Amino acid sequence: AQKVTQAQTEISVVEKEDVTLDCVYETRDTTYYLFWYKQPPSGELVFLIRRNSFDEQNEISGRYSWNFQKSTSSFNFTITASQVVDSAVYFCALVRGAGNMLTFGGGTRLMVKP
Amino acid sequence: GAGVSQSPSNKVTEKGKDVELRCDPISGHTALYWYRQSLGQGLEFLIYFQGNSAPDKSGLPSDRFSAERTGGSVSTLTIQRTQQEDSAVYLCASSLHPFGEQYFGPGTRLTVT
Repeated sequence: AQKVTQAQTEISVVEKEDVTLDCVYETRDTTYYLFWYKQPPSGELVFLIRRNSFDEQNEISGRYSWNFQKSTSSFNFTITASQVVDSAVYFCALVRGAGNMLTFGGGTRLMVKP
Repeated sequence: GAGVSQSPSNKVTEKGKDVELRCDPISGHTALYWYRQSLGQGLEFLIYFQGNSAPDKSGLPSDRFSAERTGGSVSTLTIQRTQQEDSAVYLCASSLHPFGEQYFGPGTRLTVT
């Protein structure tokens, strides 16, 4: 069975601070995909990134960056110079190579204060 | 283009009644998924449709839950004899191909009284 753990249930930062959201996963598959989704107060899940298990290159998209390390089974997400609009619940998720449903972590609620 | 749409956005029903929730995926997406989100259980997978293959029903919590997908497009999730523990937000997602990014609809908030 696979599992995704987001140990930080809630993080509060002041605007312009950098913040890292942790994600640790468990799977026995060698082929899998990792995702991050954002759920703003409006409720709709917004896709942020997908990464396959064979690509450990870090990715940067504007103020967002992701660090994938297979050695520690982690896929952490960093927001640089956070903004109030970044306030949301962020979910890390895993898709097994043999199945296509997302297994979600419990989510991290990020609050960015002005 | 249009995203995933779901209807109704809110549904209040009495315990024991049947409900139907609808999902319109993004046009051309072959894969369709149902999930539910509740305070106690987080985000849980329910069922997955891929093309004309038999659906993966491994996440359905009981035989009161069923779903179908007609013509490879619209899907309906049916909950029979609703119970209070069925109260949750039911989310639909679609993806262009297996393993692709899943795009979510706004959800249906179901309240069983």
